[in-house]
Amino acid sequence: GQNIDQPTEMTATEGAIVQINCTYQTSGFNGLFWYQQHAGEAPTFLSYNVLDGLEEKGRFSSFLSRSKGYSYLLLKELQMKDSASYLCAVTGGGNKLTFGTGTQLKVEL
Amino acid sequence: DVKVTQSSRYLVKRTGEKVFLECVQDMDHENMFWYRQDPGLGLRLIYFSYDVKMKEKGDIPEGYSVSREKKERFSLILESASTNQTSMYLCASTVGTTTNEKLFFGSGTQLSVL
Repeated sequence: GQNIDQPTEMTATEGAIVQINCTYQTSGFNGLFWYQQHAGEAPTFLSYNVLDGLEEKGRFSSFLSRSKGYSYLLLKELQMKDSASYLCAVTGGGNKLTFGTGTQLKVEL
Repeated sequence: DVKVTQSSRYLVKRTGEKVFLECVQDMDHENMFWYRQDPGLGLRLIYFSYDVKMKEKGDIPEGYSVSREKKERFSLILESASTNQTSMYLCASTVGTTTNEKLFFGSGTQLSVL
């Protein structure tokens, strides 16, 4: 089976840096996605990691350690509009994509 | 930009009704998916289709069926709606059929079954 764990909620301050962790246990591993979902809206793609290491895209970076079954999404220079749910999703054995339950991030002044 | 359009934003139906949720994508994508999203449970795959008239069960297909008569349209059918099918339903598509492709989601249909 596949199991994905993320914190349920996080709170951070505007302008700060926040790290959202995701741990997974899967039978096989092909890649890991991060999606952003604002309240009442569709999820939108943020990143996809296949190899170990950090991938940076502007204010957002995503890290993967395959040996540890661990990923994180790093958000820098937080803005109020970053308040959203962040979904971790893993493609494991049998090409099955499994989503975590999401981390609700609240950015405060 | 890719557009995935779901026909209704909100729906209210009665127990036992047959319900159709429609989804259309405008970028000639191969794969289409139906998910439901519930608090504390995340996104769960109901059905997906990798080609016209083809369908595959996801993790929670019970109580649902699908139809894909044209490449751009993927319908989710609740044969006899029940209260435990009250949920947010999200349609999605991908360009090709490999699993390393990002999903493009519609805005969702919030279905309430009374």
